[in-house]
Amino acid sequence: DAGVIQSPRHEVTEMGQEVTLRCKPISGHDYLFWYRQTMMRGLELLIYFNNNVPIDDSGMPEDRFSAKMPNASFSTLKIQPSEPRDSAVYFCANKDSGDTEAFFGQGTRLTVV
Amino acid sequence: AQSVSQHNHHVILSEAASLELGCNYSYGGTVNLFWYVQYPGQHLQLLLKYFSGDPLVKGIKGFEAEFIKSKFSFNLRKPSVQWSDTAEYFCAVSENTGFQKLVFGTGTRLLVSP
Repeated sequence: DAGVIQSPRHEVTEMGQEVTLRCKPISGHDYLFWYRQTMMRGLELLIYFNNNVPIDDSGMPEDRFSAKMPNASFSTLKIQPSEPRDSAVYFCANKDSGDTEAFFGQGTRLTVV
Repeated sequence: AQSVSQHNHHVILSEAASLELGCNYSYGGTVNLFWYVQYPGQHLQLLLKYFSGDPLVKGIKGFEAEFIKSKFSFNLRKPSVQWSDTAEYFCAVSENTGFQKLVFGTGTRLLVSP
């Protein structure tokens, strides 16, 4: 298995534009987490899914952020419209309910100018 | 709600010095505890984990951590650090039952000077 795959690795966009971050989880792992990492706040949990169903989105900062998991093989995190303060590294992580360890993707470094 | 506190935000050590990074969590139920490491420019990788049994857990690269339930702590230790240990270290907790939300502390940046 190639692990958790995120795309793109880097994204630079202008303020006001829509940004979509993608995650392909490990096959068969039923938990998926989206995290945001910044210098100021460290690693924040934005939202997580279990069996494609959103369980807790209390970490999503604003209505500009939305996440979907249409099937077990794919998840997106969308920011519309994007703002400079959204600049961060966004990680997708994946976990099997039968295991304790979460596996992280390489992250997407987002820069909003 | 669960929360994780890491008291040291930045730590600077010389090679061969001993390391201890503090981690405290708040949650009344049964938990799983983790330490993850993030080397510069890389994603998070698991160092070690505790879910039951011996409270002294040994991980990769000579790291260990001790779970002290009465103190809600899970401190990370290494007797002698190396320059290659320069990284950011994250403590995390998840519930042992129900939905397994994984919550991280804010991280500790470790710089080891040669």
